[in-house]
Amino acid sequence: EAAVTQSPRNKVAVTGGKVTLSCNQTNNHNNMYWYRQDTGHGLRLIHYSYGAGSTEKGDIPDGYKASRPSQENFSLILELATPSQTSVYFCASGDNGGQDTQYFGPGTRLLVL
Amino acid sequence: QQQVRQSPQSLTVWEGETAILNCSYEDSTFDYFPWYWQFPRESPALLIAIRPVSNKKEDGRFTIFFNKREKKLSLHITDSQPGDSATYFCAASSNTGNYKYVFGAGTRLKVIA
Repeated sequence: EAAVTQSPRNKVAVTGGKVTLSCNQTNNHNNMYWYRQDTGHGLRLIHYSYGAGSTEKGDIPDGYKASRPSQENFSLILELATPSQTSVYFCASGDNGGQDTQYFGPGTRLLVL
Repeated sequence: QQQVRQSPQSLTVWEGETAILNCSYEDSTFDYFPWYWQFPRESPALLIAIRPVSNKKEDGRFTIFFNKREKKLSLHITDSQPGDSATYFCAASSNTGNYKYVFGAGTRLKVIA
């Protein structure tokens, strides 16, 4: 069964603190994605990756870093969290050069105080 | 710049009616258009997708109509059911190999019994 898991599922952070969101996929997909979802904006792409060792900037990368140490794992890092980064974050995996289904994880709710 | 636009923002229909959700895009290199649906507190999941080689794609009660000349597409849900109540996202992916989707802001559909 295809699976994308995320941890933690919920996180409360303080302004200026470091936050790491983790994603693991067992689909053996080359491509992985990090989105944030806010009311009125739909899903916006933060960073994505073509495979282990690669990271690419998405449409809203400012304030975020990403790391893809292996085929299965893709992390999103907020070095200095700000209240504007309060959101729901989704990880997804996909293949076929982005022209096929993306499978989403359950999401992480992040609150930055 | 929002490259994929959806309308209406929200839509309410009665059970049994046909719901019509609209999507338009700007980038002529987009050539894969998936629709995702998302139930409250769940993650998005693929509902149906179309490639411009055809102007219609059907899957049960869900049909995509595609107009390449006008850069518009629509999702028709016939015999709408309360269980169809969800947020529907139109997305687009380019054939230029940048491996990513652009999502619209979504249409929130409510089906009243």
